Amino acid sequence: EAGVVQSPRYKIIEKKQPVAFWCNPISGHNTLYWYRQNLGQGPELLIRYENEEAVDDSQLPKDRFSAERLKGVDSTLKIQPAELGDSAVYLCASSFRTSGSETQYFGPGTRLLVL
Amino acid sequence: EDQVTQSPEALRLQEGESSSLNCSYTVSGLRGLFWYRQDPGKGPEFLFTLYSAGEEKEKERLKATLTKKESFLHITAPKPEDSATYLCAHLTQGGSEKLVFGKGTKLTVNP
Repeated sequence: EAGVVQSPRYKIIEKKQPVAFWCNPISGHNTLYWYRQNLGQGPELLIRYENEEAVDDSQLPKDRFSAERLKGVDSTLKIQPAELGDSAVYLCASSFRTSGSETQYFGPGTRLLVL
Repeated sequence: EDQVTQSPEALRLQEGESSSLNCSYTVSGLRGLFWYRQDPGKGPEFLFTLYSAGEEKEKERLKATLTKKESFLHITAPKPEDSATYLCAHLTQGGSEKLVFGKGTKLTVNP
């Protein structure tokens, strides 16, 4: 079974430029998460989708970040314009949500460097 | 506020030298305690989920245990390929379900 797929794996951009990350979750997983991981830290949640609906975006900096999950499968996370402090690894995870505590499976991440 | 604290930050072992990693948490109601392994340049890889105090799970040289305030990841006779960062996380309660991670323990096993 294929895992969570993310692209690109690496991205280097100048500050104030836009950037977008793409995620394809594990087949059949209805919940999708975007996390940000700074160097030496654990991942922190940016947004959570259940099917097409963003059910928790409280940690998403909405002035410059946006996300979408059309048709409840693939998702795109966008930053416009990027700032130096946005340099981090952006991780996508997916799970099959039931009534219990579901396990989240992570993709390889996109490493963003803003110059 | 829910918090997860991992110790030590870094640990160096000789091959075959057993040890334990600690994860302490403060949360009003635990819905699940998760252990992940993260290799450099990769995403976290799921290892274990523990739900209640006294629970234990094993996988090869790893064993995870849980008490009411902390979890331990015991590594028995480690090999160099066990070198990685080990992350601990708990699942929050209520409508805002998310994993709250610690900063991780970077384990290095020397041959």
